[in-house]
Amino acid sequence: QKEVEQNSGPLSVPEGAIASLNCTYSDRVSQSFFWYRQYSGKSPELIMSIYSNGDKEDGRFTAQLNKASQYVSLLIRDSQPSDSATYLCAVTRGYQKVTFGTGTKLQVIP
Amino acid sequence: KAGVTQTPRYLIKTRGQQVTLSCSPISGHRSVSWYQQTPGQGLQFLFEYFSETQRNKGNFPGRFSGRQFSNSRSEMNVSTLELGDSALYLCASRQDYTDTQYFGPGTRLTVL
Repeated sequence: QKEVEQNSGPLSVPEGAIASLNCTYSDRVSQSFFWYRQYSGKSPELIMSIYSNGDKEDGRFTAQLNKASQYVSLLIRDSQPSDSATYLCAVTRGYQKVTFGTGTKLQVIP
Repeated sequence: KAGVTQTPRYLIKTRGQQVTLSCSPISGHRSVSWYQQTPGQGLQFLFEYFSETQRNKGNFPGRFSGRQFSNSRSEMNVSTLELGDSALYLCASRQDYTDTQYFGPGTRLTVL
């Protein structure tokens, strides 16, 4: 079982729709959770971090964490073509190494 | 603040050669991590340096090594290059006692 799992996609959504990206992790004592966006040929860019159960909203982005189910998700409201990228889920425990999922490719169709 | 910088941005080497990549973290960041990214394996952790000491290490062969200098700049070395080492090598820095990482633009290494 991979430490951090994501559906590779591509996930295709029409412009203006809600995109839902999911991630599961295996280490029950994981403490910190991150979503990075990576455009093709570019480096990952942090978009959200979440540390406690529940929802965290930042503009059009909402991160959701459920530690009991070992599940973290990212919702993108009013999806735009510029949101088309690969989204990486990352998990860490304390200040140990960060473990990344392989990413979900999102395509927003105009 | 200036972001994380990496040099060179692109490299072409042949099998058997060695290569050194450089990373300068954000000012004030003492932790530097290195990652290898390939289409098949995703982003894989190589190692992390903090205050000139290797703090964490991933599952890579000994051909991959690194070091960190007193100014927090870090170098990564790969010896006896193999075709499979072709990848995007990313460096990330973070502040003490935080776990939010900031990535540099990466070095694209091609091994022929």
